[in-house]
Amino acid sequence: QSALTQPASVSGSPGQSITVSCSGSSSDVGGYNYVSWYQQHPGKAPKLMIYEVSNRPSGVPDRFSGSKSGNTASLTISGLQAEDEADYYCCSYTSGSTYALFGGGTKVTVL
Amino acid sequence: QVQLVESGGGVVQPGRSLRLSCEASGFIFSNSGMHWVRQAPGKGLEWVALISYDGNNKYYADSVKGRFTISRDNSKNTLYLEMNSLRVEDTAVYYCAKDRPSSGYAVFDYWGQGTLVTVSS
Repeated sequence: QSALTQPASVSGSPGQSITVSCSGSSSDVGGYNYVSWYQQHPGKAPKLMIYEVSNRPSGVPDRFSGSKSGNTASLTISGLQAEDEADYYCCSYTSGSTYALFGGGTKVTVL
Repeated sequence: QVQLVESGGGVVQPGRSLRLSCEASGFIFSNSGMHWVRQAPGKGLEWVALISYDGNNKYYADSVKGRFTISRDNSKNTLYLEMNSLRVEDTAVYYCAKDRPSSGYAVFDYWGQGTLVTVSS
């Protein structure tokens, strides 16, 4: 199975809003509300930011939000801050031959 | 606080074996499903394997099926990954991660710092 599709990079100025997309199929993103998003700073372990499409774990700023339409999920960062510069990965449960698929990752740059 | 500490990585020749460990603390290990996720140098994340809280159910990525075995010892709060017939393309940082309680599928709420496995002749 192929990885989920994310743009390689997205950028924005401080205070702006950006959206990272994550495209899959009806066997994964479109078929289940089990999409999660992870933030990874260089040399660090990933951190859970959003789970089950739009839920935020305790401690994650409400600037981070998630949504889904059809086979595409999205992560929106509102009021972009310098510390948001990182790689972001989407992940979905899949009914295919594996259990979970990650996206290829999106590098978010704060200009 | 939750801590996951991986160990066992290193340099190994193609075709050889290696066993990774992940020592857990700060939560009830025997109640939690556990995963291995890997990341090749400069690349994205790839889910590798899942073991249920009691060890009775195991799932693998197609890329490692038949070569890797996930296991756990709840008496030692430790997760393992036995890797056999290693290939150059298995070179990666291997992370252990835990299931988020009361969440659906594929939600990894805590991750270890990772251990690097390099497969090279």
